[in-house]
Amino acid sequence: AQTVTQSQPEMSVQEAETVTLSCTYDTSENNYYLFWYKQPPSRQMILVIRQEAYKQQNATENRFSVNFQKAAKSFSLKISDSQLGDTAMYFCAVGAGTASKLTFGTGTRLQVTL
Amino acid sequence: EAGVAQSPRYKIIEKRQSVAFWCNPISGHATLYWYQQILGQGPKLLIQFQNNGVVDDSQLPKDRFSAERLKGVDSTLKIQPAKLEDSAVYLCASSFTSGGSKNIQYFGAGTRLSVL
Repeated sequence: AQTVTQSQPEMSVQEAETVTLSCTYDTSENNYYLFWYKQPPSRQMILVIRQEAYKQQNATENRFSVNFQKAAKSFSLKISDSQLGDTAMYFCAVGAGTASKLTFGTGTRLQVTL
Repeated sequence: EAGVAQSPRYKIIEKRQSVAFWCNPISGHATLYWYQQILGQGPKLLIQFQNNGVVDDSQLPKDRFSAERLKGVDSTLKIQPAKLEDSAVYLCASSFTSGGSKNIQYFGAGTRLSVL
């Protein structure tokens, strides 16, 4: 079984500032992948960033980067230079095994303010 | 490239009625997923198809939920009869295949179901 915990239900950040969203997970699989998805009010889930567990290097996608601590089973998302369009629910997810279904956390609602 | 298409966007029914949702995955994607997202929660997998075969339906309430993907492309999820607790957003996702580096799931906009 896999579990994902997001301990921050809501966060707020000012435009142009940096914010970090936390995520911890648990899985018995050796080969797994970690994801951050963004869900704006329009509801469509969009992949933000992906990390393969076997890679030590942290993934980066433009203003988005992760801090992957495998031993601690921690996978945080850092958003630099926050923009109003970053306002959304952010879900952390883990996918493992041959079926690779995703197990999601409960999400963090991020509000970017002027 | 067209994304994952879902219809309808919204549906309101009374309890004990039946309802069906439709999903058309991204062209070429062999794997299709149906998730249920209850308000305030993350999505929960209901069923996963690989082509037209079921890979995982362990969390599908089979007494009332059914799903099919007859030709390995479009899929339909049905609820009969609906209960109040089925009120949720039903998300469809697809990926090239399951497992490994190809496992990036692309999601549709979802269908919001309200059961009164």
